[in-house]
Amino acid sequence: EAQVTQNPRYLITVTGKKLTVTCSQNMNHEYMSWYRQDPGLGLRQIYYSMNVEVTDKGDVPEGYKVSRKEKRNFPLILESPSPNQTSLYFCASSLRGGPASYNSPLHFGNGTRLTVT
Amino acid sequence: AQSVTQPDIHITVSEGASLELRCNYSYGATPYLFWYVQSPGQGLQLLLKYFSGDTLVQGIKGFEAEFKRSQSSFNLRKPSVHWSDAAEYFCAVGATSGGSYIPTFGRGTSLIVHP
Repeated sequence: EAQVTQNPRYLITVTGKKLTVTCSQNMNHEYMSWYRQDPGLGLRQIYYSMNVEVTDKGDVPEGYKVSRKEKRNFPLILESPSPNQTSLYFCASSLRGGPASYNSPLHFGNGTRLTVT
Repeated sequence: AQSVTQPDIHITVSEGASLELRCNYSYGATPYLFWYVQSPGQGLQLLLKYFSGDTLVQGIKGFEAEFKRSQSSFNLRKPSVHWSDAAEYFCAVGATSGGSYIPTFGRGTSLIVHP
């Protein structure tokens, strides 16, 4: 089954303790992206990757890191989490990341709810 | 930069009634336009999309949307709402910037369906 898999689904941690949220897709998609969803703010893009070894900042990249060493994986790293990073996080992928992306809309994972105390 | 406005945070309708969710966008060129639905505890699922051609597009689950360039709008409609349509709906505009694809989402509209 074609899917985007995020782990974990729920995570509670303390300020400053490094964590990684994994994202994997099995559709051979080039484009992958991370979003955070907060009440009243909708989805905001954190980082995206057009292909392997190509990453770029989205709208709210501060406090986050990403890497794209393999096509299928796009982990989100919080080196020193803070309470303002408490949010619902979504990973998404699509076949292409350029103009052709119209015919390859985003496929989303089921989300990771992160709480930082 | 492109932007998307969904003016209604919540919409409440009765089951069987018609539905229209509003979306306005700002973008200099012809945008890619999308509507996604998010059911509780789930990721987002694509309902429909528009780039060119017929301005009335049909999607899954009986939804349709109409692109109106003069109003910069892409409103989502359904003639008869079912209780299972209760969800969060997101309008999105996809635009290219320097060769990269930058999708921008609205803040979402929460649909409440009364029996």
